[in-house]
Amino acid sequence: QSALTQPPSASGSPGQSVTISCTGTSSDVGGSNYVSWYQQHPGKAPKLMIYEVSKRPSGVPDRFSGSKSGNTASLTVSGLQAEDEADYYCNSYAGSNNLVFGGGTKLTVL
Amino acid sequence: EVQLVESGGGLVQPGGSLRLSCAASGFTFSSDWMSWVRQAPGKGLEWVANIKQDGSKEYYVDSVKGRFTISRDNAKNSLYLQMNSLRAEDTAVYYCARWSWGRLDPWGQGTLVTVSS
Repeated sequence: QSALTQPPSASGSPGQSVTISCTGTSSDVGGSNYVSWYQQHPGKAPKLMIYEVSKRPSGVPDRFSGSKSGNTASLTVSGLQAEDEADYYCNSYAGSNNLVFGGGTKLTVL
Repeated sequence: EVQLVESGGGLVQPGGSLRLSCAASGFTFSSDWMSWVRQAPGKGLEWVANIKQDGSKEYYVDSVKGRFTISRDNAKNSLYLQMNSLRAEDTAVYYCARWSWGRLDPWGQGTLVTVSS
């Protein structure tokens, strides 16, 4: 039950694109299509942004996209906007009905 | 509107107990797995426990096994987390969330548990 690895911080200017990585193992990210991403603004509850690696819930802008290669999943935010500044967490199914989160990435819009 | 509302948090001494509740509305509660996730002050998210639709199966992160018990009452659309032998490191905001097809959605607003003497 080791946490997934995310960079502590990421940044980009308005209009640019930024990609956040999430590295696990073959027991979680690499072995599951149940990889999801959550956005959390200060003092708020997390919000689902991406599920099943690359699917977007209704209401989430198409500027947010997800992908996976091997044991690493990625979240890309295109056309950065000020309101995208938040913490982002990846999550993966880890087998035996267990879940594991990444350590979180603080996204700063410069 | 799909909604989850947690309650029951507060200040408790080390070694003490606390029971959190999560009231669900706007969806068929008995059809979905449910989860508890916590977030220590200034830290990241940590999955705590999952429970199957009928309450017959429970799963926990290693750090709470033997101390925490997740349960549910489908007749009351409610999820619970019984926390015993609490430690300072259990201090966190505790969120309940619906776990469906690999996604946690929605989340409640969270309830703060502080373990301190």
